[in-house]
Amino acid sequence: GNSVTQMEGPVTLSEEAFLTINCTYTATGYPSLFWYVQYPGEGLQLLLKATKADDKGSNKGFEATYRKETTSFHLEKGSVQVSDSAVYFCALRSAAGNKLTFGGGTRVLVKP
Amino acid sequence: DTAVSQTPKYLVTQMGNDKSIKCEQNLGHDTMYWYKQDSKKFLKIMFSYNNKELIINETVPNRFSPKSPDKAHLNLHINSLELGDSAVYFCASSPRSGGAGGTQYFGPGTRLTVL
Repeated sequence: GNSVTQMEGPVTLSEEAFLTINCTYTATGYPSLFWYVQYPGEGLQLLLKATKADDKGSNKGFEATYRKETTSFHLEKGSVQVSDSAVYFCALRSAAGNKLTFGGGTRVLVKP
Repeated sequence: DTAVSQTPKYLVTQMGNDKSIKCEQNLGHDTMYWYKQDSKKFLKIMFSYNNKELIINETVPNRFSPKSPDKAHLNLHINSLELGDSAVYFCASSPRSGGAGGTQYFGPGTRLTVL
């Protein structure tokens, strides 16, 4: 079956530091890949997505590139802010199906 | 302008009770979902409906019964609540089932606490 593995947190950074959250997946075919963010006390928001190999999703300074050869979709941001403190979820949806399979989430804490 | 809304936001109840959570989307989407997020933040799909028809039913106790009166609504009814049902329940919707365009949009969640 499909699975998503992402680095465990918490990840603690200082403001303006570089953030990377690793995400790798196992799936048959060509899944779509997503990053969702959950701010404290809130629901999930779509951060970015990529639907085919070598696509780069980007939003709010975050980027992730769909790498089929390494089955990865790592999330990066060059300079984080305190407001980026949240839990980040990597997810995939198989080409044929419509359910999302989530990774375990990575909590990021950015300190001023 | 709320896209996917859920009520209530918080629900505290006693073991053995029956409760319902409601979800509505005003995005015109065809497909709706229920997900459960446990205390460790792990998210797992429970159900999915496409145009009022059940299309995903994961291994969920039959105490949980989804109902979709129309494609804009997907409610979740839970009978005989147990301590282990305590979690945050998220509703989501997408334009259609399958395919590259079916990005899912989530509601704010309902935090259920069973005492």
